[in-house]
Amino acid sequence: QVQLQESGRGLVKPSETLSLTCTVSGGSITNYDLSWIRQPPGKGLEWMGYVHHSVISNSASTNYNPSLKTRVTISVDASNNQFSLRVTSVTAAETAVYYCARNWNYGFDLWGQGILVIVSS
Amino acid sequence: QSALTQPPSASGSRGQSVTISCTGTSDDVGGYNFVSWYQQHPGKAPKLIIYEVSKRPSGVPDRFSGSKSGNTASLTVSGLQAEDEADYYCNSYAGGNIRVFGGGTKLTV
Repeated sequence: QVQLQESGRGLVKPSETLSLTCTVSGGSITNYDLSWIRQPPGKGLEWMGYVHHSVISNSASTNYNPSLKTRVTISVDASNNQFSLRVTSVTAAETAVYYCARNWNYGFDLWGQGILVIVSS
Repeated sequence: QSALTQPPSASGSRGQSVTISCTGTSDDVGGYNFVSWYQQHPGKAPKLIIYEVSKRPSGVPDRFSGSKSGNTASLTVSGLQAEDEADYYCNSYAGGNIRVFGGGTKLTV
């Protein structure tokens, strides 16, 4: 049974870089497209971006929410079955629960439990 | 791209039906049959309940159904049950491997 689990620092200072990891267990990361999605407390969901890892070329392709594109990086560590999220120059408005999710038939069928990241000095 | 438009709230009594709308543009909802719907209970991760406009993943009750007309997609919950009380979000493909969510609808039973 495939599971996703987010991990990383839960407190980040304003203007610093947020870094999170999503570990895939029970399956190989190379078979999936994976997205990061966030949700500020009491608010809606925001798709941040996704990564596709190609086994054939051993490279990853990414697409990002245009509103975040200049500050977001999603990458893959296939050897550890993990993918990661980096967001630079964060603000308090980016306090949110961050989810990793598996893309499936243009939806998201499997989600991690989410990790709360607070941006505060 | 802009978020899809959903009503902030919807309500219905047990056993009744309720429909939640999700309005976008021809660049997202209207341009592709790739609308999905999610149910989220408080403190939990969202759960996929509809994909590709009207398809249900295995294990999702057939009380949940989806449809689309033009730039508006809809989720209908029939035979409302207490456990259906949750937040519901739509999502659409928007071209170029971009996805966009709706603002969410709180369903009260």
